[in-house]
Amino acid sequence: EPEVTQTPSHQVTQMGQEVILRCVPISNHLYFYWYRQILGQKVEFLVSFYNNEISEKSEIFDDQFSVERPDGSNFTLKIRSTKLEDSAMYFCASSPVAQPRFFGPGTRLTVL
Amino acid sequence: QQQVKQSPQSLIVQKGGISIINCAYENTAFDYFPWYQQFPGKGPALLIAIRPDVSEKKEGRFTISFNKSAKQFSLHIMDSQPGDSATYFCAAKETSGSRLTFGEGTQLTVNP
Repeated sequence: EPEVTQTPSHQVTQMGQEVILRCVPISNHLYFYWYRQILGQKVEFLVSFYNNEISEKSEIFDDQFSVERPDGSNFTLKIRSTKLEDSAMYFCASSPVAQPRFFGPGTRLTVL
Repeated sequence: QQQVKQSPQSLIVQKGGISIINCAYENTAFDYFPWYQQFPGKGPALLIAIRPDVSEKKEGRFTISFNKSAKQFSLHIMDSQPGDSATYFCAAKETSGSRLTFGEGTQLTVNP
């Protein structure tokens, strides 16, 4: 069964550093998403991406965040200057329709 | 108004019993209500979803009951099995837009 994959599974970085979280969505899916879950809190929407552009972003997704689908298979989330409060589990999702169906296993980001 | 409130936070059920998880919302623009199942180390997986034009949807042992006037919906797991032990999230999405608003999650344990 096809799956969404994410790398790395755990990323540790220093505050102020840039990180890139990588996702490989399921082939032929058209809609891509990033969500995050801070420990002990709800899963929160960050951004949705369709037709090579952002279709919606949350208030969390400020200028420090960007997404890219550089080569037609990968989908990346970049955080330019990480803050302590960016520490969370980041989930990528993809779907053939406009609701996320398949989530990846997540990348745990720890900002020190 | 954007919140989705989920209860209980944790639930312990005996094998063969019925597990019931409840969610409530305020935003009347929500028109899509999915439930996700998450096992440790995995991302959430879409389990079942409902739109407000029906009051109930059943897929195997999983049933969503939807009460539009009360702005509540619930997940019923019939004949609960130890393999159902996981975290369950309800969510909601507006007609326009792609973001899901998640509930807090319910950790279900089914004892053998």
